[in-house]
Amino acid sequence: DIQMTQSPTSLSASVGDRITITCRASQSISSYLNWYQQKPGKVPKLLIYTASSLQSGVPPRFSGSGSGTDFTLTISGLQPEDFATYYCQQSYSTPLTFGGGTKVEIK
Amino acid sequence: QLQLQESGPGLVKPSETLSLTCTVSGGSISSSNYYWDWIRQSPGKGLEWIGSVYYSGSTDYNPSLKSRVTISVDTSKNHFSLKLSSVTAADTAVYYCARRDCGGGTCYSSRGWFDPWGQGALVTVSS
Repeated sequence: DIQMTQSPTSLSASVGDRITITCRASQSISSYLNWYQQKPGKVPKLLIYTASSLQSGVPPRFSGSGSGTDFTLTISGLQPEDFATYYCQQSYSTPLTFGGGTKVEIK
Repeated sequence: QLQLQESGPGLVKPSETLSLTCTVSGGSISSSNYYWDWIRQSPGKGLEWIGSVYYSGSTDYNPSLKSRVTISVDTSKNHFSLKLSSVTAADTAVYYCARRDCGGGTCYSSRGWFDPWGQGALVTVSS
């Protein structure tokens, strides 16, 4: 199985901050990496697919980059509605696996 | 737009079989561009992929659950189903169904991204 490791596991930030979340795969996954946002009690929401493609309707302050084993999700100008948990997920090979999540909290 | 809705018992006894159905509305399940997946999330925990089914009926399962899982599709009813046998308390979770979009082209069994998701069904395993 491909292990997905996210860092940090949590972070505190202020509205307007620029934050970066990292996701590392245990082996190369090319660009087969997706990002999701989940708010408490809610369904995960797709943000970014194939490492850097912004899902329709997602604000452009969200961006993704990386390939191979190292990937980042960046939020430029954090908004109140962005406080949530973020997950990466690889679609290179089955079993499909998710990172452990990064919780973004209000400072 | 496409919507998915899970249905099934919210309480299952230990050693019994968990059964859930995901009904797809607003689109056809019989498309070569998509897989149909089950994902679960234990209380306070992360996300675990259970497995997937293609409209043709071909399946792929997480090896960690493979001996207990069956996923099937019924194209005439536009739904797909999950059965998980011999459940224990460790199987207590919110179970999500989701469409996996391959993005066009050849749809390999691992490719794509989950969108949309169903609302989720909390299944508790308890006597």
